[in-house]
Amino acid sequence: DAGVIQSPRHEVTEMGQEVTLRCKPISGHNSLFWYRQTMMRGLELLIYFNNNVPIDDSGMPEDRFSAKMPNASFSTLKIQPSEPRDSAVYFCASTFRAQVYNSPLHFGNGTRLTVT
Amino acid sequence: SQQGEEDPQALSIQEGENATMNCSYKTSINNLQWYRQNSGRGLVHLILIRSNEREKHSGRLRVTLDTSKKSSSLLITASRAADTASYFCATEENQGGKLIFGQGTELSVKP
Repeated sequence: DAGVIQSPRHEVTEMGQEVTLRCKPISGHNSLFWYRQTMMRGLELLIYFNNNVPIDDSGMPEDRFSAKMPNASFSTLKIQPSEPRDSAVYFCASTFRAQVYNSPLHFGNGTRLTVT
Repeated sequence: SQQGEEDPQALSIQEGENATMNCSYKTSINNLQWYRQNSGRGLVHLILIRSNEREKHSGRLRVTLDTSKKSSSLLITASRAADTASYFCATEENQGGKLIFGQGTELSVKP
């Protein structure tokens, strides 16, 4: 099992540029989560999908952030335009959920984003 | 807003001692989970306790859940230097299935 794969591992960009983070969940998983981790705010849930459909995006900080899941094996988180305060580690996690939940998340190793 | 609040924020102990971390939360939950994070890595799931369970064991880990007090504790017995990491509790809300993490406890186990 390859685990959740995120790319790139590190991204350094200038303010105003578009940033796209990518995630490949574990095969067979049907729920996918995007989190952001900073020292100040800890781990924040940005958005999550069930069966490729966004269920809750209330954690997305503002319109500059968007996420898509075009199919069960791929998701993107886009920031346009990026700002220095977006600097953080962004994690993707996946799990399999049936009708009853109670399933642990499997995390990728994250993308460390630095916006200068 | 964050669901889980953990204490202590940091804990330093000697190898062989037990480590106890606590987590409090606010809303109704399906389950509570504990995760571990080593520096520069993603989180790794340790143990899950359902809302109708009170205690669960896995190896050197013992988790308790008190839904009346909305709190949980994680006990690591006979700690090892390799247990040094950050530990997070996460609660799965029973409305919508969100999984919300606490701020974490940074555990340092000295050899």
